[in-house]
Amino acid sequence: EAQVTQNPRYLITVTGKKLTVTCSQNMNHEYMSWYRQDPGLGLRQIYYSMNVEVTDKGDVPEGYKVSRKEKRNFPLILESPSPNQTSLYFCASSSHIGTGESDTQYFGPGTRLTVL
Amino acid sequence: AQKVTQAQTEISVVEKEDVTLDCVYETRDTTYYLFWYKQPPSGELVFLIRRNSFDEQNEISGRYSWNFQKSTSSFNFTITASQVVDSAVYFCALKYSGAGSYQLTFGKGTKLSVIP
Repeated sequence: EAQVTQNPRYLITVTGKKLTVTCSQNMNHEYMSWYRQDPGLGLRQIYYSMNVEVTDKGDVPEGYKVSRKEKRNFPLILESPSPNQTSLYFCASSSHIGTGESDTQYFGPGTRLTVL
Repeated sequence: AQKVTQAQTEISVVEKEDVTLDCVYETRDTTYYLFWYKQPPSGELVFLIRRNSFDEQNEISGRYSWNFQKSTSSFNFTITASQVVDSAVYFCALKYSGAGSYQLTFGKGTKLSVIP
């Protein structure tokens, strides 16, 4: 089954404790992206990657890191989480960036993060 | 800059009523894609439809229909004979379709509640 998976789905942590949220897709997609969703603000892009070893900042990158060592994986790293990073996080992937019909982004199930 | 406006923050309807969710967009691009996603209470984001800016034909899929009007920069979504399972937050989104594009701009969503 074609899908984007995220782990963990729920996480409660404390300020300053490094964490990683994993994202994996099995569709051989080139493009992957991380979003956060907050009440009243909608979805905002954190980072994206157009292919292996190619990453770039989105609209709200502060406090986050990413890496893309393999095509299927795109982990989101919070080196020192703070309470304002409490949010619902989504990973997404798509293929054929801007070159055809197939660049619909498909989303993972979401990770609900609480930073105390 | 791209912008998507969903002016209706929340809508409540009684089951079997028809309901239209509005989406107005702004872009300087001449070629772009428009999307609708559904976020049910379980939290995942489900892709509903993609529409190319060259294709202004309305689309119908079961009880769902979409009205794309380039002249008014609108891409409205109508649910006919609404059901309780339609209760969700619906997001409209916009993406430039040119080579190398990546940015998916979301509206802030419309929360639809269908009352039995």
